[in-house]
Amino acid sequence: DQQVKQNSPSLSVQEGRISILNCDYTNSMFDYFLWYKKYPAEGPTFLISISSIKDKNEDGRFTVFLNKSAKHLSLHIVPSQPGDSAVYFCAARTRGPNDYKLSFGAGTTVTVRA
Amino acid sequence: DAMVIQNPRYQVTQFGKPVTLSCSQTLNHNVMYWYQQKSSQAPKLLFHYYDKDFNNEADTPDNFQSRRPNTSFCFLDIRSPGLGDTAMYLCATSRVRWGRSNAEAFFGQGTRLTVV
Repeated sequence: DQQVKQNSPSLSVQEGRISILNCDYTNSMFDYFLWYKKYPAEGPTFLISISSIKDKNEDGRFTVFLNKSAKHLSLHIVPSQPGDSAVYFCAARTRGPNDYKLSFGAGTTVTVRA
Repeated sequence: DAMVIQNPRYQVTQFGKPVTLSCSQTLNHNVMYWYQQKSSQAPKLLFHYYDKDFNNEADTPDNFQSRRPNTSFCFLDIRSPGLGDTAMYLCATSRVRWGRSNAEAFFGQGTRLTVV
C-alpha cells in the first residue's frame, strides 16, 4: 500500500527554467514532509522539508508547497542547474509514537539540459 | 565529517549463502534504520532500532535479521538470500527524543547487493 506517490518517474527541463516535482499522499496522519535528492551510487541527502502547519517553505532555489486539502505537495527548483540532475524522493512522517519512520515515494528523475 | 558509512558498497553473493551488510555512524543518533530499495521503487523500511529496541516491519521476511551491538554500529543479516533480494540496501540514522523527531534522517551511500 503506497501511501506516498510520485506519479512522474522522470522530468526533463532546460537549464535556467523551473523544475516542478509533484507528490501525492493518502495518509491524513502525515504531518511532516521531506524531499531528498539522490545522485547515482550515493545515498539520499536531505534537501528541504515542510511541516503540515505551513503551506510553503523556501530555501534558496528550492521551494516546497503543501496543499493539505488536496494531499499534495510540490517542489519547485528555480532556476534549474545541471547539478540538479538527480533522483528526487518525496517522504512523509506520521504524527504519533512512531513518527520517526519515513514513508517514501518511488522518486522522480530530473534531467537538466544545457 | 560526521556521517553514516556502509560497507561494502557492492556485494555479490550466491543464492542461499548468508550475507552481512554493515553500517556505522559518527552522528551519535539513537535511531538506525535499514531500507531496501529495488530498481525504480520507493525505499522500503525493513526495520529500525530505537536505542536498543528492535522494531520489525510487519511485512519484512524472516530471512532478514538485524543486530545493533552498540550505538555506532548496525548490521543487516540475510540468512538465505534469494534472487529477489537483489537490491540497494540503505542505512539511515536520526535523532529522536521523547518519541518525537524534528530532524531528517541521514543516509549512508548504500550497499548494492546482487544475488546470483
